[in-house]
Amino acid sequence: EDQVTQSPEALRLQEGESSSLNCSYTVSGLRGLFWYRQDPGKGPEFLFTLYSAGEEKEKERLKATLTKKESFLHITAPKPEDSATYLCAVQNNTDKLIFGTGTRLQVFP
Amino acid sequence: EAEVAQSPRYKITEKSQAVAFWCDPISGHATLYWYRQILGQGPELLVQFQDESVVDDSQLPKDRFSAERLKGVDSTLKIQPAELGDSAMYLCASSLVTKGTQYFGPGTRLLVL
Repeated sequence: EDQVTQSPEALRLQEGESSSLNCSYTVSGLRGLFWYRQDPGKGPEFLFTLYSAGEEKEKERLKATLTKKESFLHITAPKPEDSATYLCAVQNNTDKLIFGTGTRLQVFP
Repeated sequence: EAEVAQSPRYKITEKSQAVAFWCDPISGHATLYWYRQILGQGPELLVQFQDESVVDDSQLPKDRFSAERLKGVDSTLKIQPAELGDSAMYLCASSLVTKGTQYFGPGTRLLVL
Protein backbone atom coordinates (compact mmCIF):
# COMPACT_ATOMS: atom_id res chain seq x y z
CA GLU A 1 0.00 0.00 0.00
CA ASP A 2 1.29 3.46 -0.91
CA GLN A 3 2.09 5.45 2.21
CA VAL A 4 3.67 8.77 3.19
CA THR A 5 4.91 9.53 6.71
CA GLN A 6 6.04 13.00 7.73
CA SER A 7 8.06 13.91 10.81
CA PRO A 8 8.04 15.68 13.08
CA GLU A 9 4.31 16.45 13.38
CA ALA A 10 5.16 19.89 14.75
CA LEU A 11 8.34 21.94 14.90
CA ARG A 12 9.05 25.18 16.76
CA LEU A 13 12.09 27.15 15.68
CA GLN A 14 13.67 30.41 16.68
CA GLU A 15 14.13 32.83 13.80
CA GLY A 16 17.43 31.97 12.09
CA GLU A 17 17.55 28.41 13.50
CA SER A 18 17.95 26.06 10.52
CA SER A 19 16.32 22.61 10.51
CA SER A 20 14.95 19.83 8.29
CA LEU A 21 11.56 18.21 7.76
CA ASN A 22 11.38 14.54 6.79
CA CYS A 23 9.07 12.71 4.40
CA SER A 24 9.48 8.93 4.15
CA TYR A 25 7.46 6.99 1.61
CA THR A 26 6.58 3.61 0.16
CA VAL A 27 5.01 3.77 -3.27
CA SER A 28 4.35 1.59 -6.28
CA GLY A 29 6.34 3.23 -9.04
CA LEU A 30 7.28 6.74 -7.97
CA ARG A 31 6.35 9.27 -10.66
CA GLY A 32 7.23 12.29 -8.55
CA LEU A 33 7.46 13.67 -5.03
CA PHE A 34 5.79 17.00 -4.31
CA TRP A 35 6.17 19.54 -1.52
CA TYR A 36 3.38 21.99 -0.75
CA ARG A 37 3.01 24.77 1.80
CA GLN A 38 -0.39 25.29 3.42
CA ASP A 39 -1.37 28.33 5.49
CA PRO A 40 -4.29 28.00 7.94
CA GLY A 41 -7.65 28.03 6.18
CA LYS A 42 -6.11 28.07 2.69
CA GLY A 43 -5.36 25.59 -0.06
CA PRO A 44 -1.92 24.01 -0.51
CA GLU A 45 0.61 26.10 -2.45
CA PHE A 46 3.00 24.22 -4.72
CA LEU A 47 6.70 24.43 -3.83
CA PHE A 48 8.73 21.68 -5.55
CA THR A 49 8.61 18.51 -7.59
CA LEU A 50 11.43 15.93 -7.39
CA TYR A 51 11.57 13.02 -9.80
CA SER A 52 14.66 10.93 -9.08
CA ALA A 53 17.03 10.08 -6.24
CA GLY A 54 19.80 12.62 -5.87
CA GLU A 55 17.74 15.48 -7.24
CA GLU A 56 17.73 18.78 -5.33
CA LYS A 57 15.69 21.97 -5.77
CA GLU A 58 15.91 25.33 -4.01
CA LYS A 59 13.63 28.30 -3.51
CA GLU A 60 14.67 31.15 -1.23
CA ARG A 61 15.32 29.60 2.21
CA LEU A 62 13.98 26.17 1.22
CA LYS A 63 15.86 23.24 -0.31
CA ALA A 64 14.29 19.88 -1.11
CA THR A 65 16.25 16.67 -1.60
CA LEU A 66 15.22 13.14 -2.59
CA THR A 67 16.54 9.63 -1.92
CA LYS A 68 14.97 6.28 -2.81
CA LYS A 69 13.07 6.13 0.47
CA GLU A 70 12.70 9.69 1.74
CA SER A 71 12.79 13.39 1.04
CA PHE A 72 13.99 16.25 3.18
CA LEU A 73 12.89 19.86 3.19
CA HIS A 74 15.74 21.93 4.60
CA ILE A 75 14.91 25.38 5.94
CA THR A 76 17.89 27.72 6.28
CA ALA A 77 17.68 30.72 8.60
CA PRO A 78 13.86 30.65 8.76
CA LYS A 79 11.75 33.75 9.27
CA PRO A 80 8.35 34.03 10.98
CA GLU A 81 6.67 34.22 7.57
CA ASP A 82 7.86 30.66 6.91
CA SER A 83 5.39 29.46 9.56
CA ALA A 84 2.93 27.08 7.89
CA THR A 85 2.13 23.40 7.46
CA TYR A 86 4.38 21.68 4.93
CA LEU A 87 2.79 18.78 3.06
CA CYS A 88 4.63 16.04 1.19
CA ALA A 89 2.91 13.94 -1.49
CA VAL A 90 4.00 11.12 -3.77
CA GLN A 91 2.57 10.40 -7.20
CA ASN A 92 2.25 6.68 -7.87
CA ASN A 93 2.19 4.71 -11.10
CA THR A 94 -1.52 5.52 -11.61
CA ASP A 95 -0.68 9.23 -11.29
CA LYS A 96 -2.58 9.46 -8.00
CA LEU A 97 -1.24 11.83 -5.31
CA ILE A 98 -0.93 10.38 -1.80
CA PHE A 99 -0.38 13.00 0.89
CA GLY A 100 1.25 12.82 4.28
CA THR A 101 -0.33 14.48 7.31
CA GLY A 102 2.11 17.40 7.21
CA THR A 103 4.59 19.10 9.53
CA ARG A 104 3.31 22.19 11.30
CA LEU A 105 6.18 24.69 11.48
CA GLN A 106 6.19 27.68 13.80
CA VAL A 107 9.04 30.20 13.63
CA PHE A 108 9.31 32.67 16.49
CA PRO A 109 11.08 36.06 16.27
CA GLU B 1 -1.07 34.71 -12.30
CA ALA B 2 -3.73 32.09 -13.13
CA GLU B 3 -5.45 30.54 -10.13
CA VAL B 4 -8.06 27.93 -9.31
CA ALA B 5 -11.26 29.61 -8.12
CA GLN B 6 -13.69 28.08 -5.62
CA SER B 7 -16.92 29.22 -4.06
CA PRO B 8 -18.25 29.58 -1.51
CA ARG B 9 -15.25 29.93 0.81
CA TYR B 10 -17.32 28.94 3.84
CA LYS B 11 -20.57 27.05 4.21
CA ILE B 12 -22.56 26.22 7.33
CA THR B 13 -25.45 23.84 6.95
CA GLU B 14 -27.61 21.55 9.02
CA LYS B 15 -27.43 17.80 8.65
CA SER B 16 -29.76 16.32 6.02
CA GLN B 17 -29.56 19.50 3.93
CA ALA B 18 -28.03 19.66 0.46
CA VAL B 19 -24.84 21.62 -0.27
CA ALA B 20 -22.97 22.38 -3.48
CA PHE B 21 -19.46 23.62 -4.16
CA TRP B 22 -18.17 25.18 -7.36
CA CYS B 23 -14.69 25.13 -8.91
CA ASP B 24 -13.20 26.91 -11.92
CA PRO B 25 -9.79 25.45 -12.83
CA ILE B 26 -6.84 27.25 -14.37
CA SER B 27 -7.63 28.00 -18.00
CA GLY B 28 -6.50 25.19 -20.28
CA HIS B 29 -6.11 22.59 -17.54
CA ALA B 30 -7.73 19.37 -18.71
CA THR B 31 -7.56 17.50 -15.40
CA LEU B 32 -9.63 18.55 -12.39
CA TYR B 33 -9.62 17.03 -8.92
CA TRP B 34 -11.81 17.30 -5.83
CA TYR B 35 -10.17 16.51 -2.48
CA ARG B 36 -11.44 16.40 1.10
CA GLN B 37 -9.13 17.47 3.92
CA ILE B 38 -10.01 16.78 7.53
CA LEU B 39 -8.32 19.03 10.08
CA GLY B 40 -4.82 17.80 10.86
CA GLN B 41 -4.68 15.42 7.90
CA GLY B 42 -3.55 15.56 4.31
CA PRO B 43 -5.95 15.96 1.38
CA GLU B 44 -7.62 12.78 0.11
CA LEU B 45 -8.85 12.43 -3.46
CA LEU B 46 -12.62 12.18 -3.94
CA VAL B 47 -12.92 12.39 -7.73
CA GLN B 48 -10.78 13.10 -10.78
CA PHE B 49 -11.97 14.39 -14.16
CA GLN B 50 -10.20 14.30 -17.48
CA ASP B 51 -12.06 16.92 -19.51
CA GLU B 52 -15.71 16.05 -18.85
CA SER B 53 -15.14 12.38 -18.00
CA VAL B 54 -14.69 10.85 -14.56
CA VAL B 55 -11.47 8.83 -14.45
CA ASP B 56 -11.38 8.02 -10.72
CA ASP B 57 -14.23 8.22 -8.23
CA SER B 58 -13.31 5.17 -6.20
CA GLN B 59 -13.23 7.16 -2.92
CA LEU B 60 -16.39 9.18 -3.57
CA PRO B 61 -19.29 8.17 -1.27
CA LYS B 62 -21.71 7.81 -4.14
CA ASP B 63 -24.79 7.36 -1.98
CA ARG B 64 -24.61 11.04 -1.01
CA PHE B 65 -21.90 12.72 -3.11
CA SER B 66 -22.05 13.60 -6.79
CA ALA B 67 -19.72 15.54 -9.07
CA GLU B 68 -20.00 16.83 -12.59
CA ARG B 69 -17.95 18.75 -15.13
CA LEU B 70 -20.46 19.09 -17.94
CA LYS B 71 -18.50 21.16 -20.46
CA GLY B 72 -15.07 20.07 -19.35
CA VAL B 73 -14.32 23.40 -17.70
CA ASP B 74 -15.84 24.26 -14.31
CA SER B 75 -17.13 21.64 -11.91
CA THR B 76 -19.69 21.19 -9.14
CA LEU B 77 -19.48 18.86 -6.14
CA LYS B 78 -22.75 18.15 -4.34
CA ILE B 79 -23.57 16.48 -1.02
CA GLN B 80 -27.13 15.36 -0.34
CA PRO B 81 -27.93 14.80 2.46
CA ALA B 82 -25.06 16.29 4.47
CA GLU B 83 -23.96 14.42 7.59
CA LEU B 84 -22.01 15.63 10.63
CA GLY B 85 -18.93 13.70 9.48
CA ASP B 86 -18.81 15.69 6.24
CA SER B 87 -17.43 18.72 8.07
CA ALA B 88 -14.06 19.34 6.38
CA MET B 89 -12.22 21.49 3.85
CA TYR B 90 -13.13 20.67 0.25
CA LEU B 91 -10.30 21.47 -2.14
CA CYS B 92 -10.33 21.68 -5.90
CA ALA B 93 -7.13 21.30 -7.92
CA SER B 94 -6.26 21.28 -11.60
CA SER B 95 -3.33 20.20 -13.74
CA LEU B 96 -2.43 20.71 -17.38
CA VAL B 97 -2.11 16.97 -17.89
CA THR B 98 -2.80 13.95 -15.65
CA LYS B 99 0.86 13.54 -14.70
CA GLY B 100 1.42 17.25 -14.15
CA THR B 101 1.72 19.39 -11.07
CA GLN B 102 -1.59 19.94 -9.31
CA TYR B 103 -2.47 23.52 -8.36
CA PHE B 104 -5.00 23.99 -5.59
CA GLY B 105 -7.74 26.52 -5.02
CA PRO B 106 -8.43 28.24 -1.69
CA GLY B 107 -10.92 25.57 -0.63
CA THR B 108 -14.44 25.57 0.81
CA ARG B 109 -14.69 25.00 4.55
CA LEU B 110 -17.90 23.10 5.35
CA LEU B 111 -19.42 22.89 8.80
CA VAL B 112 -22.40 20.57 9.27
CA LEU B 113 -24.44 21.19 12.43
